[in-house]
Order: sequence, then structure tokens, then C-alpha cells
Amino acid sequence: GQSLEQPSEVTAVEGAIVQINCTYQTSGFYGLSWYQQHDGGAPTFLSYNALDGLEETGRFSSFLSRSDSYGYLLLQELQMKDSASYFCAAKGYSGAGSYQLTFGKGTKLSVIP
Amino acid sequence: NAGVTQTPKFQVLKTGQSMTLQCAQDMNHEYMSWYRQDPGMGLRLIHYSVGAGITDQGEVPNGYNVSRSTTEDFPLRLLSAAPSQTSVYFCATATGGNSPLHFGNGTRLTVT
Repeated sequence: GQSLEQPSEVTAVEGAIVQINCTYQTSGFYGLSWYQQHDGGAPTFLSYNALDGLEETGRFSSFLSRSDSYGYLLLQELQMKDSASYFCAAKGYSGAGSYQLTFGKGTKLSVIP
Repeated sequence: NAGVTQTPKFQVLKTGQSMTLQCAQDMNHEYMSWYRQDPGMGLRLIHYSVGAGITDQGEVPNGYNVSRSTTEDFPLRLLSAAPSQTSVYFCATATGGNSPLHFGNGTRLTVT
């Protein structure tokens, strides 16, 4: 089976740094993705880690430790527009050349002035 | 290039009615999937397909059918709608491998 745990809510100040953690239990694990979703919108892709370590894309970075079944999303220089829900998603092998992407329940980030 | 197109955007059904949610993509993506999103539950996988003629069940398949006769289309059928199926439904596609999911704009379904 697949399960992911992430905090339900986080509040941070504009200009600060925030880290959103994700732990997973995924059979046939390939990698961990992060998606952003603004209220009323569709999820959009932020990053993907297949290997251990840090991936950086502008103000956003994502980290993966396969041995710890753990990853995090780091948002720097927070802006008001970063207020959104953030989902970690684990890609796992589901047999017969098939794979699934299982999402966590999401972390609602509120950025305050 | 429209990306992933979902229709309709909104739908209200009565309990017991059936309907089909449409998903079409013009990116030649092999992988297509349906998720439902409920408050506090995140996105849960209903069905997915790794290519034309191939479908498989996700986490919450009961009450839903899918087919994949072409690469472009992946309709989701509700056989007999129930209030528990009130949700926002997202279709998402990918080229495969480690490529990211591209989501449609969603269909907001209410079953009364």
C-alpha cells in the first residue's frame, strides 16, 4: 500500500523560509514529487526527486532521503502569492509495467505580512 | 495546444443517475488518470491508464468505470451516482517515466 504524511497547516511570515515535511510508505518507490494548488485551481507541478539529495528550482528546493522515507519542500523568500496548498506525491510501481502517483493530504500554507 | 480539457466544469446529478465525465488531451501523453479531491482528503486516485487499451484501478475505484480506446480520451463513468460521490474530479496526464502530471481544470460534481 501507499501512505504519505504531511502537516495539515503551516503559517509563515512574508520573506521568511518555510519547510514542509513529508514521510511516506510506498511499495516499489520511484520518487517523490511536490505540487502546488491555489484555492479553486488545479494542482501544478513544482519538483521531483528520484535520487537522494537536494533539487533547487528558484526559490523552491526539494529534498529526498530514501533511506529515511522522508522528503521536504523548502520555500525561501516567501511571498503572499505562495499561500496555497502543497502536496507531496509518491510514485510507486504497481505491477505489470504500471505505476501510480499517490498524494498526501496536503499542507495549507498561509503567508502573513 | 489545449493541454488537458475536462468537461463539464460543473454538474448536478440526482441519486441514481449516471453520467460521463470527459477528459481529452492533445499532448500525446501515454499516462492518464482520474483523481477525486475532497476536503481534508487530498487527491485520491480512482483509475489510471498507461496507454490505449490498458486501464487499472487506483485507491477508490468503486462506483466508477473507465475505458481508454484512444490515446487522447479517458472518460470516467459514474454508473449510479451517490451523494458520497460529490467531489471535485481531476484528470491528469503524463508522458510516462519521471515526467510530471498535467492536470485539467477539474469538474465539480454535486449529487443530491
